[in-house]
Amino acid sequence: NAGVTQTPKFQVLKTGQSMTLQCAQDMNHEYMSWYRQDPGMGLRLIHYSVGAGITDQGEVPNGYNVSRSTTEDFPLRLLSAAPSQTSVYFCASSTRQDNQPQHFGDGTRLSIL
Amino acid sequence: AQSVTQPDIHITVSEGASLELRCNYSYGATPYLFWYVQSPGQGLQLLLKYFSGDTLVQGIKGFEAEFKRSQSSFNLRKPSVHWSDAAEYFCAVGARSNTGKLIFGQGTTLQVKP
Repeated sequence: NAGVTQTPKFQVLKTGQSMTLQCAQDMNHEYMSWYRQDPGMGLRLIHYSVGAGITDQGEVPNGYNVSRSTTEDFPLRLLSAAPSQTSVYFCASSTRQDNQPQHFGDGTRLSIL
Repeated sequence: AQSVTQPDIHITVSEGASLELRCNYSYGATPYLFWYVQSPGQGLQLLLKYFSGDTLVQGIKGFEAEFKRSQSSFNLRKPSVHWSDAAEYFCAVGARSNTGKLIFGQGTTLQVKP
């Protein structure tokens, strides 16, 4: 059982480039989320989705786009990368049932030069 | 405002010593509470969670946590630390009605001395 799979694991971009971070889960989870992790700030929610076709903004959505065309996939797009987006990005999923925790991928380490 | 505070950014303990990591939260309703652990270069692994019932919850790897509503705290404890416990620990809070969103604390880095 793969769980939550994120690709790539590492990426270096130049300022202004675009890129899509991939996230896939094979647990048939309704909810999926993207977080960014920065030193001393914990994880902050970027965008989340409660089901296919439904997305909403989290705490730090600026500069990022998402879509959810299938239950399994929840890609995160950077349209024009900025150095402030250098971070480690985590995707998570959970069922919509109460009492259930989120399952996290291994992260994508992104550097913007 | 909803928030989670982990007052200790970095803690060092000797192997075999006891451990307590602090977590305080501010939340408008009764929350669901979680502790996650992150080893270097890895994702987050769930240690334990509290939803309701017994306020002392047991988790994996010998960890436990106690929910104290009056103090808005959910501190993580372990009686005897092992060198493999060195990692970063995150406290998080979520809504009782699952929304797929968590609010995380800043994290506490645990170093274990031999």
